Amino acid sequence: EAGVAQSPRYKIIEKRQSVAFWCNPISGHATLYWYQQILGQGPKLLIQFQNNGVVDDSQLPKDRFSAERLKGVDSTLKIQPAKLEDSAVYLCASSFPLGVAFFGQGTRLTVV
Amino acid sequence: DAKTTQPNSMESNEEEPVHLPCNHSTISGTDYIHWYRQLPSQGPEYVIHGLTSNVNNRMASLAIAEDRKSSTLILHRATLRDAAVYYCIHYLGNQGGKLIFGQGTELSVKP
Repeated sequence: EAGVAQSPRYKIIEKRQSVAFWCNPISGHATLYWYQQILGQGPKLLIQFQNNGVVDDSQLPKDRFSAERLKGVDSTLKIQPAKLEDSAVYLCASSFPLGVAFFGQGTRLTVV
Repeated sequence: DAKTTQPNSMESNEEEPVHLPCNHSTISGTDYIHWYRQLPSQGPEYVIHGLTSNVNNRMASLAIAEDRKSSTLILHRATLRDAAVYYCIHYLGNQGGKLIFGQGTELSVKP
């Protein structure tokens, strides 16, 4: 069974630039999560989708971060403009409703 | 607030059992306890979960206190590949399956 696919694996941008991350969840998984993991900390939930609807985005900094889930399958997370403190690993996960979550390898973002 | 408390770090010797504790005093009756682990440079991976009774799978065992305010993840024979950060998670089923991670316990395994 294919896992959660994320791209790119690594990205380096300058502050004030924009960046987008892509996630392809496991086939059939209705729930999709985006997490931000700063070095040395646990993952922080940014947004959770159920199909293409948002379940929770209370921790998403909406002035610069946006996310969408096209047709309830793939998802993109965008940062515009980026700040130095956005340097982190961005993790995508998916699950059946109320099921075990499977995580991708993550995208490591460095903002310089 | 779905908060769990774990020790920051623990050490174990290879091939010995490891008991990783977790406190979750605010858990409600329908919320599960999930454990995930994260190896270096990888995304978290599922280990085990439970509601009230003890659970076993091929990776580990989960012992849940009778009052459900704490639990212990048990690795029966630690190997070097078990060195990781272990997260105890209060799984909010009534909020669409929200997974809120804490700081986790960094487990090191000595040969």
